[in-house]
Amino acid sequence: KAGVTQTPRYLIKTRGQQVTLSCSPISGHRSVSWYQQTPGQGLQFLFEYFSETQRNKGNFPGRFSGRQFSNSRSEMNVSTLELGDSALYLCASSLSGDLDEAFFGQGTRLTVV
Amino acid sequence: SQQGEEDPQALSIQEGENATMNCSYKTSINNLQWYRQNSGRGLVHLILIRSNEREKHSGRLRVTLDTSKKSSSLLITASRAADTASYFCATVSNDYKLSFGAGTTVTVRA
Repeated sequence: KAGVTQTPRYLIKTRGQQVTLSCSPISGHRSVSWYQQTPGQGLQFLFEYFSETQRNKGNFPGRFSGRQFSNSRSEMNVSTLELGDSALYLCASSLSGDLDEAFFGQGTRLTVV
Repeated sequence: SQQGEEDPQALSIQEGENATMNCSYKTSINNLQWYRQNSGRGLVHLILIRSNEREKHSGRLRVTLDTSKKSSSLLITASRAADTASYFCATVSNDYKLSFGAGTTVTVRA
């Protein structure tokens, strides 16, 4: 069974640009959630999707957005990038989102210069 | 904001010794999960314990949960060099998200 796949693995962007990250969950998993990890703030929840519906959103500015497709694949977008957006972005998938184990991808390392 | 707090922040042990780390949280939970992360890579799921469970085992891992004290512990027995990693607890509370603690960095010396 394939794991959670995140693409790309590494990205370097310039301030002001936008970026789109992709996450393919484990087959059969309908919940996909996103997290930002930085040395200063640790692991912070961004948002969660289930069957194309956002069920929860973390405390991030509107520049951070996401969506989920009918095949459960998810994308997150960050517009008008700031230096502080440099982080490891992790995607997790689970069957239901609340009662099951969450499985993480290897992450996308975003560097904003 | 982070729901869980791990203790200690860092732990250095000799190979073969046991490692214990603790996690405290603030609100009621559905379940609590422990993860391992090696050098800034993805998180590996270790074990899930539900709010109505008190103890779970998986290989060399033992997790306890005390909902009255809002705390959990992770014990790794007979540690190996490959156990060197950061360990995170995460709680789930009917809100479709994992709330992580700051993590415990474990170093196993050969």
